[in-house]
Amino acid sequence: EPEVTQTPSHQVTQMGQEVILRCVPISNHLYFYWYRQILGQKVEFLVSFYNNEISEKSEIFDDQFSVERPDGSNFTLKIRSTKLEDSAMYFCASSKWANQPQHFGDGTRLSIL
Amino acid sequence: GESVGLHLPTLSVQEGDNSIINCAYSNSASDYFIWYKQESGKGPQFIIDIRSNMDKRQGQRVTVLLNKTVKHLSLQIAATQPGDSAVYFCAETPYSGGGADGLTFGKGTHLIIQP
Repeated sequence: EPEVTQTPSHQVTQMGQEVILRCVPISNHLYFYWYRQILGQKVEFLVSFYNNEISEKSEIFDDQFSVERPDGSNFTLKIRSTKLEDSAMYFCASSKWANQPQHFGDGTRLSIL
Repeated sequence: GESVGLHLPTLSVQEGDNSIINCAYSNSASDYFIWYKQESGKGPQFIIDIRSNMDKRQGQRVTVLLNKTVKHLSLQIAATQPGDSAVYFCAETPYSGGGADGLTFGKGTHLIIQP
């Protein structure tokens, strides 16, 4: 069964550094999403992406965040100048259409030192 | 603000019994609801979904019930098995005309299956 894949599984970065989290959505899906989950808390929506542009973003998704689909398969989340509070699991998801089930990857654990 | 939340943080049931996990939501514009299962170290796994024009939907061993009057959603798991042990999240999104809406997740219920 097709699945969303994320790399790396664990990323350790110094505070202030830039980090890029990578995702390969399911191949025939058109809608892409990033979420984060701080340890022990609920999953929080960051941003959605469709037709090569941001469709919706939350208050968390401020100017330090950006997303890109650099080619036909990858979907990336960049955090420009990481802060300690950016430490979390970051999940990528994709769906075939809007308001269809979103399928999640297993996440990247981001640890900011 | 609007939120989606779960009534109980932990639910313990005997193997073979039925489980019911509840969820309350507050956004009256919520149109689409999903239940996810999350095992340790994994991402949320889709279980079942339901739209606001329905009040019940059944899958394999799972049933979702939606009561829009009281803004309540439940997940029923029949004949629970050890593999059902996980954290269960409800999530919702309003219909916004086809845009890629983000899901609002509840806090999660940890389902523990006792042998």
